[in-house]
Amino acid sequence: GAGVSQSPRYKVAKRGQDVALRCDPISGHVSLFWYQQALGQGPEFLTYFQNEAQLDKSGLPSDRFFAERPEGSVSTLKIQRTQQEDSAVYLCASSPSGGTLNEQFFGPGTRLTVL
Amino acid sequence: AQSVTQPDIHITVSEGASLELRCNYSYGATPYLFWYVQSPGQGLQLLLKYFSGDTLVQGIKGFEAEFKRSQSSFNLRKPSVHWSDAAEYFCAVGLYSSASKIIFGSGTRLSIRP
Repeated sequence: GAGVSQSPRYKVAKRGQDVALRCDPISGHVSLFWYQQALGQGPEFLTYFQNEAQLDKSGLPSDRFFAERPEGSVSTLKIQRTQQEDSAVYLCASSPSGGTLNEQFFGPGTRLTVL
Repeated sequence: AQSVTQPDIHITVSEGASLELRCNYSYGATPYLFWYVQSPGQGLQLLLKYFSGDTLVQGIKGFEAEFKRSQSSFNLRKPSVHWSDAAEYFCAVGLYSSASKIIFGSGTRLSIRP
């Protein structure tokens, strides 16, 4: 079956603009994760959903970042009033069930550039 | 605080040569340990993982890793690399204290010399 897909693959935003990044997880996967990967760095955890419940949002860097997964499948990461430091690749991953014991399947990412 | 260190930013090896990528972690208990590979334009792919038991773990694509508690290390090895192994490799640790959070190292970029 299809893997995790993310759209758009590339996004250029002007500073102060709002953006929305979409993640389509593997069908039936319970868990969904968002990561931020700055240039030359490893991914950093942002937030975690189990079905529609956001169980951990401790990694969201500010209140400008908001994520949702209203029906327990597709998820959207929204960044309001983008800043240059938000430029990064945003990765989405899904997993068949909860917890870090299970393999996370990653999407190709959305590269956000804030000018 | 928990952390993962990959001391080598970039490594170049000749095709057919052996490979070892280093990873050290800082954590108060035995963590869950992972190695992921990221090829250009592709998502991260899990190579192998360690949770408990045998400290030598076999993964996909001919990779293996050994957990050494005394050294807080989880080094990745491959006896003979192929040009297709050129990629970015990330070591990561999952925490018993968290059901969700994985901490990644900063990565090691592997180049293959023909």
